Amino acid sequence: GESVGLHLPTLSVQEGDNSIINCAYSNSASDYFIWYKQESGKGPQFIIDIRSNMDKRQGQRVTVLLNKTVKHLSLQIAATQPGDSAVYFCAEKEDNDMRFGAGTRLTVKP
Amino acid sequence: DAGVIQSPRHEVTEMGQEVTLRCKPISGHNSLFWYRQTMMRGLELLIYFNNNVPIDDSGMPEDRFSAKMPNASFSTLKIQPSEPRDSAVYFCASSPGRRLRWSGNTIYFGEGSWLTVV
Repeated sequence: GESVGLHLPTLSVQEGDNSIINCAYSNSASDYFIWYKQESGKGPQFIIDIRSNMDKRQGQRVTVLLNKTVKHLSLQIAATQPGDSAVYFCAEKEDNDMRFGAGTRLTVKP
Repeated sequence: DAGVIQSPRHEVTEMGQEVTLRCKPISGHNSLFWYRQTMMRGLELLIYFNNNVPIDDSGMPEDRFSAKMPNASFSTLKIQPSEPRDSAVYFCASSPGRRLRWSGNTIYFGEGSWLTVV
């Protein structure tokens, strides 16, 4: 069946460096994608989204890139800070169905 | 603005007991979702409501689980009887839009109810 998955389960970066978190999806009919951040003991928090008719969207220190050709989604975090340490989930939506990936744990080293 | 409010935040109960989890969605949101999160299975959608009506409950694991939404500002998820394998974090989430035309509408999560069944 189709699924949402992540290339890397863990990512460790130095404070101040840029982080890139990747996500692969297999449902070509998905029309909307979201990145969530989940800190320890908290619920997932919306970071940024992108529709399938776009290939890039920027927020504050974050950029989401969508490559529909290879069904790949990435989240770029500029100047990573200790507060960015969390688990990051990608989610994809097709019609009425939203599915979440397994998550990538980002650890920021001081 | 208050976010999605869930209670209890933590619950430890014995196998066989009834568990009731509560949720207050964000005011004005039309859709409400219950998710379960475990290490093994990640985030799983259990059920979602639109305008207080259950639309899709295909994710509810079995008859021991039931959910209600008596009004626009309150929902419950009940497990009876509870089992150790039900131990998980249960998230309630809400969304401003109708799920059928959901383009661009994201969902906002509560802080979760951490359930341990011993």
